Order: sequence, then structure tokens, then C-alpha cells
Amino acid sequence: TQLLEQSPQFLSIQEGENLTVYCNSSSVFSSLQWYRQEPGEGPVLLVTVVTGGEVKKLKRLTFQFGDARKDSSLHITAAQPGDTGLYLCAGNPRAGSYQLTFGKGTKLSVIP
Amino acid sequence: GAGVSQSPSNKVTEKGKDVELRCDPISGHTALYWYRQSLGQGLEFLIYFQGNSAPDKSGLPSDRFSAERTGGSVSTLTIQRTQQEDSAVYLCASSRRPSSEVGELFFGEGSRLTVL
Repeated sequence: TQLLEQSPQFLSIQEGENLTVYCNSSSVFSSLQWYRQEPGEGPVLLVTVVTGGEVKKLKRLTFQFGDARKDSSLHITAAQPGDTGLYLCAGNPRAGSYQLTFGKGTKLSVIP
Repeated sequence: GAGVSQSPSNKVTEKGKDVELRCDPISGHTALYWYRQSLGQGLEFLIYFQGNSAPDKSGLPSDRFSAERTGGSVSTLTIQRTQQEDSAVYLCASSRRPSSEVGELFFGEGSRLTVL
């Protein structure tokens, strides 16, 4: 079983601060996705990274896939209250596989 | 509708009762997933349907759990003789195709099940 460990589990920061959350595994993933889930809603896809070393930017969010495709990070610049939510990473163990392995998530609270 | 629809949104039941949870996926999406999300836990895969292929039931935790998908569209997850440890949010997701490097899962809002 391929596991994804996310850290930190909880993060509370002030509006305007920067933060980074991590998603780590001892296994290689073909691709990795990040989802954000708000209370009472289902997760919503933010990004998919497929190439080792890949960096993708989505406004104030920067996603990186590790060179060895075993880890990923999400960096948020100048966090806003609207960024509050549960951030989940999900790994695809091999190309064409339909089973995603989800981490337990990082619960982010941005205080105005 | 435009998104994945799940019902009921909340269900409170007594231990030992049976429950049915319904999922209406996005029209045209051939892949359908059920996940379970317990407090403090990640999403736990339960079952996967793809077109007319036999479903992958490998994630169902016990034989009290079953699911079907009629006509390649609506799916029902049934839990028989519910136990307190079944309390969780049950999420349904659909996808245009099997999850791949660029596949995206579209999730419903979930059905929150509480077993007293």
C-alpha cells in the first residue's frame, strides 16, 4: 500500500503570511493531485502534476512535484481567509490507474 | 444538474438499521467512485464503477456494504445492519474517464451518516 503523509496536520496563520504544506511518500507516483475541501463540500481539484521537478502556479499558489516523484509541496503566498480549508494530496500509483491514494490532509485556517 | 448530486445530505440512524445513499453523477461521466471520509482520516476508497465493466469492490470494508449502479448512471451505496464505526461522510465522485495523469474527480457534497 502506498501511503501519503501530509504535514502539518493543522495550520493556523494570520492573513498575509506565507505558508508551505507538504505531501511525502516512500513510493513513486505517476502523478499527484492537490484538492481543496471546504466544510460541508466535496474536494475540488486545484492542480495535477505529472513530471518530476515540475512547478505549477495558480495565482498565489505554487505547487511542486519532487524530482523523484515521491513528494510534493504547496506554497501559498500572502494567505487570505478564502484560502481556509482542508488541503488534500492524492497520488496516482501508475499511469492509467484509477485508484488514487489520498493523504489525510492539512487543515488550514487563515485568520483575518 | 451541473454537478454530482448526493442524497441525503445528512442521515441519522440507529445501530442495526439499513441505510441507502444515492449518487447522481455528472451526465456523460463513465467512471464513478465512492469514498468514505472519517474524522481525522483521509479519503478511503470503497468502490469503483467504469461503464459496463465489473466494479472494483476491493475497498468495501465488510459484506454489510454493497453498491450498485443502474444504467451506467445513478449509484446507490447500501449499508446493512449499521454500526457506530460506520459513521462518516460518504463521498461520491465521477470522472470522464478512469483516473490517469490528467484525470479529475468531481465530488459531490457528501452524505453525512451518523449511527447512534
